Amino acid sequence: DVKVTQSSRYLVKRTGEKVFLECVQDMDHENMFWYRQDPGLGLRLIYFSYDVKMKEKGDIPEGYSVSREKKERFSLILESASTNQTSMYLCASSPGGAGSYNEQFFGPGTRLTVL
Amino acid sequence: AQKVTQAQTEISVVEKEDVTLDCVYETRDTTYYLFWYKQPPSGELVFLIRRNSFDEQNEISGRYSWNFQKSTSSFNFTITASQVVDSAVYFCALSEVSSGTYKYIFGTGTRLKVLA
Repeated sequence: DVKVTQSSRYLVKRTGEKVFLECVQDMDHENMFWYRQDPGLGLRLIYFSYDVKMKEKGDIPEGYSVSREKKERFSLILESASTNQTSMYLCASSPGGAGSYNEQFFGPGTRLTVL
Repeated sequence: AQKVTQAQTEISVVEKEDVTLDCVYETRDTTYYLFWYKQPPSGELVFLIRRNSFDEQNEISGRYSWNFQKSTSSFNFTITASQVVDSAVYFCALSEVSSGTYKYIFGTGTRLKVLA
């Protein structure tokens, strides 16, 4: 059974803290994605990666960075968390590399609250 | 600009009713893919279907069917004889390569409530 796992289901942090959200997939997929999901806004792409050490900005990269040192792991970093980054964060992966149009497999999400 | 519109924010139906979820998209590309995903109360999005821009054939899978019409830029999803387990948020999404950049755009979702 294919799996995308995220390190935490719920996370509470304070303003200004550095926050790491981890995502691991076991499907040997080339592509990995980070989204945030907010009510009324759907899913918005923050960053994606189609290969190890490669990254591309999505629609809302400001305030975030990512790291992909290994194929199976994609980390989202909030350098200095702010209250407007309180959200549900979803990680996804898909096969095929750059320019592919395959369906994505999602993790269960991390609900981050920044106080 | 690319865009996916799901105008129905929330729909409530009684079990066994048919229900159609609307999806309208905007793109300038001739090559693109459309998707539907389901997000049940547990939270994990599940892929339902993918359709490419060159294939306008409708598709049926059990109680689910999809109607893709390029003339109206729509990719609607119908559930026949709805069941309580169909209660979820459904997302339509568009994937394309625009100006050399990969794009993956989701709609805002439609929350479907199926009442027993």
